[in-house]
Amino acid sequence: NAGVTQTPKFQVLKTGQSMTLQCAQDMNHNSMYWYRQDPGMGLRLIYYSASEGTTDKGEVPNGYNVSRLNKREFSLRLESAAPSQTSVYFCASSEYPTEYNEQFFGPGTRLTVL
Amino acid sequence: SQKIEQNSEALNIQEGKTATLTCNYTNYSPAYLQWYRQDPGRGPVFLLLIRENEKEKRKERLKVTFDTTLKQSLFHITASQPADSATYLCAPSRGGADGLTFGKGTHLIIQP
Repeated sequence: NAGVTQTPKFQVLKTGQSMTLQCAQDMNHNSMYWYRQDPGMGLRLIYYSASEGTTDKGEVPNGYNVSRLNKREFSLRLESAAPSQTSVYFCASSEYPTEYNEQFFGPGTRLTVL
Repeated sequence: SQKIEQNSEALNIQEGKTATLTCNYTNYSPAYLQWYRQDPGRGPVFLLLIRENEKEKRKERLKVTFDTTLKQSLFHITASQPADSATYLCAPSRGGADGLTFGKGTHLIIQP
């Protein structure tokens, strides 16, 4: 099993450009998540999908959209990238509704917006 | 609002000693507290979970305590090794599907 995979691994964008970060999991998990990690800020939740067909905002959703394409895939879209969106983006999945929502993370996408 | 605090400075420990990391939280009553390890350039990896009705949990060289009165969890690594060097994140949780809120992490350095 590959676990959680993310593409691309690295990306450089110019301000105003758009892109989609892809995430897929092969663990048959119901719930999927997008986090961003910035120095000094820790991991922050952008959006999550508790189950196929549902999505909800997290702590920092502004400037992002998500799509839960099917049970395996959860994508994050930046419609008009801004330098403030320079970050490392992690996708995660969990077996929720299990008791405690242990999360499995992907390797991350390092995004730079110039 | 919920606040999670971990040692902000790097923790330097000599190989073989016990490393103790602290996670304090305020304005929150978690039912669980999770600990994750993150290596440079990688995503976090789940290590241990402790429930609010458990005082202590062990897994090999790892031990976690959870004091709901003090609103604190301690994470211990005994007989520490250089391979234990990493950033350790805590995440108090009520359960549910709405994601986790993480502390900023403690960078642990085990020196040979």
